[in-house]
Amino acid sequence: AQSVTQPDIHITVSEGASLELRCNYSYGATPYLFWYVQSPGQGLQLLLKYFSGDTLVQGIKGFEAEFKRSQSSFNLRKPSVHWSDAAEYFCAVGGGRGSTLGRLYFGRGTQLTVWP
Amino acid sequence: GAGVSQSPSNKVTEKGKDVELRCDPISGHTALYWYRQSLGQGLEFLIYFQGNSAPDKSGLPSDRFSAERTGGSVSTLTIQRTQQEDSAVYLCASSLGQGVNNEQFFGPGTRLTVL
Repeated sequence: AQSVTQPDIHITVSEGASLELRCNYSYGATPYLFWYVQSPGQGLQLLLKYFSGDTLVQGIKGFEAEFKRSQSSFNLRKPSVHWSDAAEYFCAVGGGRGSTLGRLYFGRGTQLTVWP
Repeated sequence: GAGVSQSPSNKVTEKGKDVELRCDPISGHTALYWYRQSLGQGLEFLIYFQGNSAPDKSGLPSDRFSAERTGGSVSTLTIQRTQQEDSAVYLCASSLGQGVNNEQFFGPGTRLTVL
């Protein structure tokens, strides 16, 4: 069965510190992987995605993520966190090469708090 | 605006009442999705429309939930005989085409509270 696990419900970091948000997935095919961010009162915004190729992908707002097939992981990283990064982050999986399915499977989210 | 819009932004209803939630996708987007976000939960897929194809209803939690998409554009999610466990934020997304390789753009959501 398809599933996404974000083991950290809440993470707190100081501004300027590095960040890593964990995501593990279970999926039958080679998946497409996504990270979304949801700021208070806002809809979800796509940060980055992985379909194939280079396993280190760059996204918006200085975020990057690395796909590790052997670990079924797609962790999100940022070298230096800004106060404006405080939000909820969702990892999602879906599709896969050749699939026409549109649905995404989401993790439960990680709430990020940034201390000044 | 150019984004996905949803209405109402907030809806408070009494248990047992029916509610309708509306989604206006981005113009030209043929795929439309409904998700539900309950407190402490991730987003749960509900239903997916793609063009004129039969919708994928596999995520609807019960027969009290239904959705339609008129003219390939606006969609309405209807919940009949609402229950307290239906309280959640209902998110709509649209994308240019079929398949998750097409980015899904999300609306701001409708917060439903069932008293």
